[in-house]
Amino acid sequence: NAGVTQTPKFQVLKTGQSMTLQCAQDMNHNSMYWYRQDPGMGLRLIYYSASEGTTDKGEVPNGYNVSRLNKREFSLRLESAAPSQTSVYFCASRPQGWYEQFFGPGTRLTVL
Amino acid sequence: DAKTTQPPSMDCAEGRAANLPCNHSTISGNEYVYWYRQIHSQGPQYIIHGLKNNETNEMASLIITEDRKSSTLILPHATLRDTAVYYCIAASISGGYQKVTFGTGTKLQVIP
Repeated sequence: NAGVTQTPKFQVLKTGQSMTLQCAQDMNHNSMYWYRQDPGMGLRLIYYSASEGTTDKGEVPNGYNVSRLNKREFSLRLESAAPSQTSVYFCASRPQGWYEQFFGPGTRLTVL
Repeated sequence: DAKTTQPPSMDCAEGRAANLPCNHSTISGNEYVYWYRQIHSQGPQYIIHGLKNNETNEMASLIITEDRKSSTLILPHATLRDTAVYYCIAASISGGYQKVTFGTGTKLQVIP
């Protein structure tokens, strides 16, 4: 199993550009999550998907949209990137009935 | 979710036990205590969780006080590879959704 994979690993955008961060898991997990981590801070939840076909806002959803394309994939879209969205983005998944979240390696995004 | 309080940093000699404290005085009855760690800039890694009984696995032990207002993560024989930021989290699962709120954690430095 590859676990949770994220693409790209690094990205530099200009203000106003759009992009989609991809996340996929091959563990047949039900719920998936997107977090952001700013320097020296803990992770903050952006959006989550409790199951295929459902998505909900987390703590910091403004400026983002998500799509749970199927059970494996959960993408995060920035429609018009802003410097405040410079951060490391982590995707995670969790199997139903389990307590542990499994995290991907992260995407390091810089918005100039 | 209950707020957790951790010391910002700790040192531990290699080979000795590392005892990481966490205060969660407002924890509710259905919230579990979780511990994750983040090595360098990698995705967080689950360590252990518990409700009210002490727990042990191959990585660590978790001691929860009887009133559940605080807990201690114990790494029995710390190695240099245990240098990381350790997050203590109080969270529940509802409707398939696990809201995990990361604070700033404790930065553990294992010293040779």
